[in-house]
Amino acid sequence: DAGVTQSPTHLIKTRGQQVTLRCSPKSGHDTVSWYQQALGQGPQFIFQYYEEEERQRGNFPDRFSGHQFPNYSSELNVNALLLGDSALYLCASSSLRTGTGRVEQYFGPGTRLTVT
Amino acid sequence: AQKVTQAQTEISVVEKEDVTLDCVYETRDTTYYLFWYKQPPSGELVFLIRRNSFDEQNEISGRYSWNFQKSTSSFNFTITASQVVDSAVYFCALSENQGGSEKLVFGKGTKLTVNP
Repeated sequence: DAGVTQSPTHLIKTRGQQVTLRCSPKSGHDTVSWYQQALGQGPQFIFQYYEEEERQRGNFPDRFSGHQFPNYSSELNVNALLLGDSALYLCASSSLRTGTGRVEQYFGPGTRLTVT
Repeated sequence: AQKVTQAQTEISVVEKEDVTLDCVYETRDTTYYLFWYKQPPSGELVFLIRRNSFDEQNEISGRYSWNFQKSTSSFNFTITASQVVDSAVYFCALSENQGGSEKLVFGKGTKLTVNP
């Protein structure tokens, strides 16, 4: 049973470019949450997707957008990259349908984005 | 607003010492969950424990133990007889149920270094 997977592992982009990060949830999970973890900080909630819709959003600008596909996988898109977007981006999966989201959120290995 | 404070930024101990990581939280919810995660250098967040707000019973799992006290809004984590493999960043998190999203609010983490 595969856990949460994310791709790519590492990414280097130039300021102003756009980037797409991908996440596949754990088998049986239907909900994907994205977090940004800057160096030396705790993860910060970006947004959550369930049933292909954004349910909740953290304090992030519109440059950050996402999508969830019918197979529950998700993408995080960041436009007009800034140097401050350099961070580890973590994806977490859970199941809102079965109500386990408050007790079980499984994290992927993350994508480390560097903006130069 | 929900908030998690981990006042200890870094802790360094010698192997076999006991060490306690502090976590203080703020929330207006009467029902909430608290978590501890371990983040080794590889970056992936490893789930250690969750505790709901109605269960103040302390828990022990091997060398790990957790002390939850609602009266002081604290959820401290103790490692007994620490080992070099315990070296990691440890995060305390609070499950926030805004609009059913069940997002996690993390502290800034405590970096634990266990020296041989």
